[in-house]
Amino acid sequence: GENVEQHPSTLSVQEGDSAVIKCTYSDSASNYFPWYKQELGKGPQLIIDIRSNVGEKKDQRIAVTLNKTAKHFSLHITETQPEDSAVYFCAATAGGTSYGKLTFGQGTILTVHP
Amino acid sequence: GAGVSQSPSNKVTEKGKDVELRCDPISGHTALYWYRQSLGQGLEFLIYFQGNSAPDKSGLPSDRFSAERTGGSVSTLTIQRTQQEDSAVYLCASSPRGGPTEQYFGPGTRLTVT
Repeated sequence: GENVEQHPSTLSVQEGDSAVIKCTYSDSASNYFPWYKQELGKGPQLIIDIRSNVGEKKDQRIAVTLNKTAKHFSLHITETQPEDSAVYFCAATAGGTSYGKLTFGQGTILTVHP
Repeated sequence: GAGVSQSPSNKVTEKGKDVELRCDPISGHTALYWYRQSLGQGLEFLIYFQGNSAPDKSGLPSDRFSAERTGGSVSTLTIQRTQQEDSAVYLCASSPRGGPTEQYFGPGTRLTVT
């Protein structure tokens, strides 16, 4: 089955700096890669996603890049703000018999210091 | 519009008791997933429903766990004879269609087995 590794486990940045979180996956059939933000006591919130036929996607301060050959994808947050502080999860899923069920990374605790 | 809702938000039960957790997906979403989030295991897939197809139960950890989805909408996850290792946050997600596409999570039910 799919295995997703996520690094770093914790990340501390100053407000205004950029933050990068990296994930690798094992199943070459995986074709959909979402990123979720989870605040304390809440469910994961989808913030951006990318499909395997795209190399990069951007939404305001958030971007995701995908390298299918190397089987890794990254989340980039620019101009970080204190409200970006949360736990971020990457995930991967394939179609077919996997039915789109998500395999998650272990999460990254991002802290943005004012 | 309304997001995914789950009830109860918190449940404390004694070891050996049965519990039922409820999920109301986003209206019109045909796919529904249950995940479990625990400190030791991270976020892990439990079960998946898509339309009238047979559910994918491959993630259920034991036969004490079962789930149903009535009328293609509300879903109930049942845990029989609860054990302390069942303590976790149980998350439900819905998706407009099956396969590798966006999933929207509810706030979760925090289950504590004493």
